[in-house]
Amino acid sequence: AQSVAQPEDQVKVAEGNPLTVKCTYSVSGNPYLFWYVQYPNRGLQFLLKYITGDNLVKGSYGFEAEFNKSQTSFHLKKPSALVSDSALYFCAVRDQAGTALIFGKGTTLSVSS
Amino acid sequence: DAGVIQSPRHEVTEMGQEVTLRCKPISGHNSLFWYRQTMMRGLELLIYFNNNVPIDDSGMPEDRFSAKMPNASFSTLKIQPSEPRDSAVYFCASSSGLASDTQYFGPGTRLTVL
Repeated sequence: AQSVAQPEDQVKVAEGNPLTVKCTYSVSGNPYLFWYVQYPNRGLQFLLKYITGDNLVKGSYGFEAEFNKSQTSFHLKKPSALVSDSALYFCAVRDQAGTALIFGKGTTLSVSS
Repeated sequence: DAGVIQSPRHEVTEMGQEVTLRCKPISGHNSLFWYRQTMMRGLELLIYFNNNVPIDDSGMPEDRFSAKMPNASFSTLKIQPSEPRDSAVYFCASSSGLASDTQYFGPGTRLTVL
């Protein structure tokens, strides 16, 4: 069965510092991996996805994520955090059979000024 | 494109009443998903359709919940009768149907059952 784990409920960083939001997954075969962001009282917005190819994926708003097959991880990163990055972040996985996305529980990112 | 459209954005109703949530997917998308988000349970997949056909409804909580997709541009999620524990934000999402495709979410409907 597919599953996603986001081990941290909350991540706190200071503005200007690098940030990492962790995600590990379990899926049969090769995964399709996604990151979404949710601002208060809004829907989920797509940030980036890994399908195949280069393990480093670049997405919206300066975010990037690194696919690590041996560690079954897909951590979200940004070199320099902004206060406006404060939001709820979801990692999601789907196997190549094309079933629906399975989402993690979400990680709240708080960036302080 | 206007994106995924959901209505109403907010719904307040009393226990026992029927509630109908509506969704218009992105034009050309042939997969549609209904999710529920609560603080306690996070984001849960309720049901999804492919080419207007329900594929997996194992996430539907109970018989009080039903979903339909009469055509490619419209879907409804109905709760009858509603209960306070149904209070949540309900999201609709759509995608092109390929496993590698991105799901795009609507703004959600915040349901409060008193």
